[in-house]
Amino acid sequence: EAGVAQSPRYKIIEKRQSVAFWCNPISGHATLYWYQQILGQGPKLLIQFQNNGVVDDSQLPKDRFSAERLKGVDSTLKIQPAKLEDSAVYLCASSQFRSNNEQFFGPGTRLTVL
Amino acid sequence: GENVEQHPSTLSVQEGDSAVIKCTYSDSASNYFPWYKQELGKRPQLIIDIRSNVGEKKDQRIAVTLNKTAKHFSLHITETQPEDSAVYFCAAAQGGSEKLVFGKGTKLTVNP
Repeated sequence: EAGVAQSPRYKIIEKRQSVAFWCNPISGHATLYWYQQILGQGPKLLIQFQNNGVVDDSQLPKDRFSAERLKGVDSTLKIQPAKLEDSAVYLCASSQFRSNNEQFFGPGTRLTVL
Repeated sequence: GENVEQHPSTLSVQEGDSAVIKCTYSDSASNYFPWYKQELGKRPQLIIDIRSNVGEKKDQRIAVTLNKTAKHFSLHITETQPEDSAVYFCAAAQGGSEKLVFGKGTKLTVNP
């Protein structure tokens, strides 16, 4: 089966600019996650979708970050405006709808904010 | 909320030796503990997981042990090979929740 797809793979922007990331999960996976992975740390969950509804966004900085999953398939994560500390790899993952099911990660988008 | 501590942060072993990585968690309600391997510049990939109804699970050279009383779990890699070199992350999730909380990672280097 095809894996989780993400684009772009790399993005360099200046602070206060906006940026958007796209994710296409594995076909049939109802649950989609966005993680932020800062260099040298483990992934941190930003937001979790079940189909097109938000399950958990407790760690999403809502003053600058937003995410949507229209039609319960693809998802976009946006940062507006970006700060230096947003430099990280943004990972998208998906899983089948079942408790404690394996999460499959995409290749990530490496964001550098100058 | 859940907090996962992982040790050591770096580990260097000789090829053929064993490697052990340890994690502790804070939430006694957590009952799912996966381990992910992340090679440089690549995505995390699940290598083994354990649920709280078992104490140990093995898959060839990899094993995971869980001590629910002490709230810690460990990854054991035997007969290490250079291709085992990567960053390994432990994680924990509560029953009924798919929210994973990750440790900070262990960079394992296997020297030929």
